[in-house]
Amino acid sequence: TQLLEQSPQFLSIQEGENLTVYCNSSSVFSSLQWYRQEPGEGPVLLVTVVTGGEVKKLKRLTFQFGDARKDSSLHITAAQPGDTGLYLCAGKNQAGTALIFGKGTTLSVSS
Amino acid sequence: NAGVMQNPRHLVRRRGQEARLRCSPMKGHSHVYWYRQLPEEGLKFMVYLQKENIIDESGMPKERFSAEFPKEGPSILRIQQVVRGDSAAYFCASSPVAGQFSYEQYFGPGTRLTVT
Repeated sequence: TQLLEQSPQFLSIQEGENLTVYCNSSSVFSSLQWYRQEPGEGPVLLVTVVTGGEVKKLKRLTFQFGDARKDSSLHITAAQPGDTGLYLCAGKNQAGTALIFGKGTTLSVSS
Repeated sequence: NAGVMQNPRHLVRRRGQEARLRCSPMKGHSHVYWYRQLPEEGLKFMVYLQKENIIDESGMPKERFSAEFPKEGPSILRIQQVVRGDSAAYFCASSPVAGQFSYEQYFGPGTRLTVT
């Protein structure tokens, strides 16, 4: 069974701090996606990582895919209140027909 | 370019009634996926459809739930004889037909179903 485990489950920080959230699995994924979801809305795709060791940057967000394609991390530099939300990682199941989601990291950034 | 559209955004049903949730995929997307989100369980896959075909329904409950994606019109997720445990947020996602980014799914805003 493919599972994605995210940590920490909750993170509460002050504006300006840096943070890293993790997405781990014992299974290999061909790609991983990161989404951000705000209350009452659907997940919004942030990035897809495909190649082992790949690093992608999106403004203050840095995404890394592990060399073995079993894990990924999201690093946020100088967090802002607008970064508040639920961060989800997801990967395609073995059949390629659906996304498997981690339970997410709920981030709260206060000013 | 309009995103994935879902309606209604909120739906209240009494136990035993039927719930119909609609989803229109992004323009140019012909693959539709339905997911359910419960507070303690996260997002769970339910069903994957292409036009007029169900490709994978391994996540659908065996009874009361059905889905379709007709040649014309939106995809429909139908829940018959709803129970309180069906209360959840239901999300639809769509992806391109094929190609480099066919693994990327784009989500709608969801339908929040409340069963009273």
